[in-house]
Amino acid sequence: DGGITQSPKYLFRKEGQNVTLSCEQNLNHDAMYWYRQDPGQGLRLIYYSQIVNDFQKGDIAEGYSVSREKKESFPLTVTSAQKNPTAFYLCASSSGTRPGTDTQYFGPGTRLTVL
Amino acid sequence: GQQLNQSPQSMFIQEGEDVSMNCTSSSIFNTWLWYKQEPGEGPVLLIALYKAGELTSNGRLTAQFGITRKDSFLNISASIPSDVGIYFCAGTNFGNEKLTFGTGTRLTIIP
Repeated sequence: DGGITQSPKYLFRKEGQNVTLSCEQNLNHDAMYWYRQDPGQGLRLIYYSQIVNDFQKGDIAEGYSVSREKKESFPLTVTSAQKNPTAFYLCASSSGTRPGTDTQYFGPGTRLTVL
Repeated sequence: GQQLNQSPQSMFIQEGEDVSMNCTSSSIFNTWLWYKQEPGEGPVLLIALYKAGELTSNGRLTAQFGITRKDSFLNISASIPSDVGIYFCAGTNFGNEKLTFGTGTRLTIIP
């Protein structure tokens, strides 16, 4: 089946540890995105990538890092520098780079809890 | 970054009732999108709007692009249990690589 997979669904980490969230898509999409969702807030863009080996910071990139070595994969690392990492993380992809016309398809999300 | 304001924040309605929610921005957008997110899942696109004043339907859902281009509205008619979830608006402009999302409206249906 075509789609976006994120793993794991739930992740627990101790404070001070880096953690990497996986995002894979088999839709052959060029663009991929990482969003953070907190209760009562909308989705906020962390990083996005329009093409392999290239990515741009979103609105809240501090404390996060990404890589785009393969078209189908866009892992997100939450570093110890992120002051409040507990959140629901959503990955999305789209065929093009124009969000108004190129529909973003979302994965099921990873809920990260830092203890 | 900017976030769009949605109201109401939450709604508790009975099955069969109609629902109205809106989204407002301090700046103009030329594209408005409406998404629905079910518990524990990612958002799914419901409706896209590209022209001021445009009215677009998707089944029982109808969305409107506000005349001022600073707001958008979503109506759900004759609500059913599977309408439960969080509804998000999002705005963008041509040439912009990013979406700006609203704060969401949580819809709960009372049995």
